[in-house]
Amino acid sequence: AQKITQTQPGMFVQEKEAVTLDCTYDTSDQSYGLFWYKQPSSGEMIFLIYQGSYDEQNATEGRYSLNFQKARKSANLVISASQLGDSAMYFCAILLVGSARQLTFGSGTQLTVLP
Amino acid sequence: NAGVTQTPKFQVLKTGQSMTLQCAQDMNHEYMSWYRQDPGMGLRLIHYSVGAGITDQGEVPNGYNVSRSTTEDFPLRLLSAAPSQTSVYFCASTRGGLAGRNEQFFGPGTRLTVL
Repeated sequence: AQKITQTQPGMFVQEKEAVTLDCTYDTSDQSYGLFWYKQPSSGEMIFLIYQGSYDEQNATEGRYSLNFQKARKSANLVISASQLGDSAMYFCAILLVGSARQLTFGSGTQLTVLP
Repeated sequence: NAGVTQTPKFQVLKTGQSMTLQCAQDMNHEYMSWYRQDPGMGLRLIHYSVGAGITDQGEVPNGYNVSRSTTEDFPLRLLSAAPSQTSVYFCASTRGGLAGRNEQFFGPGTRLTVL
């Protein structure tokens, strides 16, 4: 079975600085996708970024980039130029291509951006 | 498009009561899922559906039933509510097809308390 590990329960970052949120995964499948979601205090799940296992380049979406190291099975999220609005819970998740499009989530990292 | 809608937003039940959480999507997505999120944890899969008339169990299915009579709707039924089912429930949908960025679209969530 697949597994996602997020080892940082909480992180603090100064406004305008960059921050890296760690995510490691465990799967024996070769075809999979990795997702990051943001959950603000209001509770909704907001999609941030996606990386496919066969994608050769690291994914980027605006201030978000994914540092994908396949051999190490890590998919860290990098947020550049942090903003106060980035304060939220961040979840890493994996989707196996052979599955019925179901996500397995990590336990999350609570990010706090300090002014 | 309204995306994924869920009703109600909040619900309080007494132990032993039954109820149905409603979920609907207007994106013609084949795949729909129900997740629960407990405090300090990521989302865990309850049940999912790969199309009308087809459902299957996820990681934590006990105490819940689902059905999928149409592409749009995927209700979740609590048969006899227990305090352990106090949680936030998310419905999600995604398109089918081959590998690729199959982003899951989440509803706003239903916060359920069982007394």
